[in-house]
Amino acid sequence: GEDVEQSLFLSVREGDSSVINCTYTDSSSTYLYWYKQEPGAGLQLLTYIFSNMDMKQDQRLTVLLNKKDKHLSLRIADTQTGDSAIYFCAETGPNAGNNRKLIWGLGTSLAVNP
Amino acid sequence: KAGVTQTPRYLIKTRGQQVTLSCSPISGHRSVSWYQQTPGQGLQFLFEYFSETQRNKGNFPGRFSGRQFSNSRSEMNVSTLELGDSALYLCASSLAGQGVAGYTFGSGTRLTVV
Repeated sequence: GEDVEQSLFLSVREGDSSVINCTYTDSSSTYLYWYKQEPGAGLQLLTYIFSNMDMKQDQRLTVLLNKKDKHLSLRIADTQTGDSAIYFCAETGPNAGNNRKLIWGLGTSLAVNP
Repeated sequence: KAGVTQTPRYLIKTRGQQVTLSCSPISGHRSVSWYQQTPGQGLQFLFEYFSETQRNKGNFPGRFSGRQFSNSRSEMNVSTLELGDSALYLCASSLAGQGVAGYTFGSGTRLTVV
């Protein structure tokens, strides 16, 4: 079945780059998303990438997609303490017309140390 | 524009009771999805409503139900509450379901069953 996997924890020093990785199984995914969840809050869409793209850059965020290996990564440059949060990878599930549902990873908890 | 509003923010219920959670999507959004988030299981998809019709359903027992009104507001009901239903319940809205823009999430309702 469909599955999205992420490592559960990542710890970095302030100012370093963070790389959060995600693997997925569904080769028919159209869009892949990165969401951020701060403590006590809902999920905030950070960025997304269309499956025919290899890379997308948005300010400090760089998304890399390796479709052959079904591997997605999120790089955060110059990581700040405010980036401490849980980061979720999600992909659109199997194509069923408009009835796709997002498949979610368990989230990577990013801790940024001063 | 206002974001996704979920009420109440916190709720404590007793086993066996029922509960109704409310979600008001972003104005103009017609799709509302519900998720259950727990530390061990991550984000679990409950159901999605679009134009008052349930379009997608996750693997939850029939005790979990929902509906959507003509103004796109949605309610989720859980009957015969169990301790394991304690979780953060997140609502997300989008224009038409899984699309480029992804979802906008509310801050969630924290349900504790005692």
